[in-house]
Amino acid sequence: GAVVSQHPSWVICKSGTSVKIECRSLDFQATTMFWYRQFPKQSLMLMATSNEGSKATYEQGVEKDKFLINHASLTLSTLTVTSAHPEDSSFYICSAASSGRAGDTQYFGPGTRLTVL
Amino acid sequence: DAKTTQPPSMDCAEGRAANLPCNHSTISGNEYVYWYRQIHSQGPQYIIHGLKNNETNEMASLIITEDRKSSTLILPHATLRDTAVYYCIVRATVFSTSGTYKYIFGTGTRLKVLA
Repeated sequence: GAVVSQHPSWVICKSGTSVKIECRSLDFQATTMFWYRQFPKQSLMLMATSNEGSKATYEQGVEKDKFLINHASLTLSTLTVTSAHPEDSSFYICSAASSGRAGDTQYFGPGTRLTVL
Repeated sequence: DAKTTQPPSMDCAEGRAANLPCNHSTISGNEYVYWYRQIHSQGPQYIIHGLKNNETNEMASLIITEDRKSSTLILPHATLRDTAVYYCIVRATVFSTSGTYKYIFGTGTRLKVLA
């Protein structure tokens, strides 16, 4: 149980284009989903937290107009990188949690590698 | 900033127990300790978590000191497939608008299991 998928697993795009990444919880309902970014040889950095049907909460320094997050249902969240540039190239990872109770566990997707040319 | 400190790297012989330490001296009474691991180019995999008591599951054991200022993850019989970066996380007390507590990742321990 507690499986989270991401699509696509990798994507290459040209500078200036937009890219959408999907995150799905396959066997549970995720009231909250998180988006992380990981640069080579670094740890995961939280970008934003989203609740189903609500606006996402972005971490300090993350541009909300550049990284659009939609959490339309209890099993799907999307991250759209708008007007991508080479510095946006990174490994993007989502996670999902099933409730707001203290101690709930985040389950992570396999990640999406974005390369912007 | 992460509330945990871990050694940057460790080696372990295949078949032996791997003991991965983590210091979390500023942990609060209601904060859980979580362990995840990340194999190269994959998302983190949940291993185990605990609050006060020691915990065991099919993957590992978690030993938390009585003062809760440190913990140890034990992989009882390490295999080559256990080679990964292991993250110890104290679930942050920052209460997000979602009602779910955030994780703040530290740099982790790179465990290499040797044949």
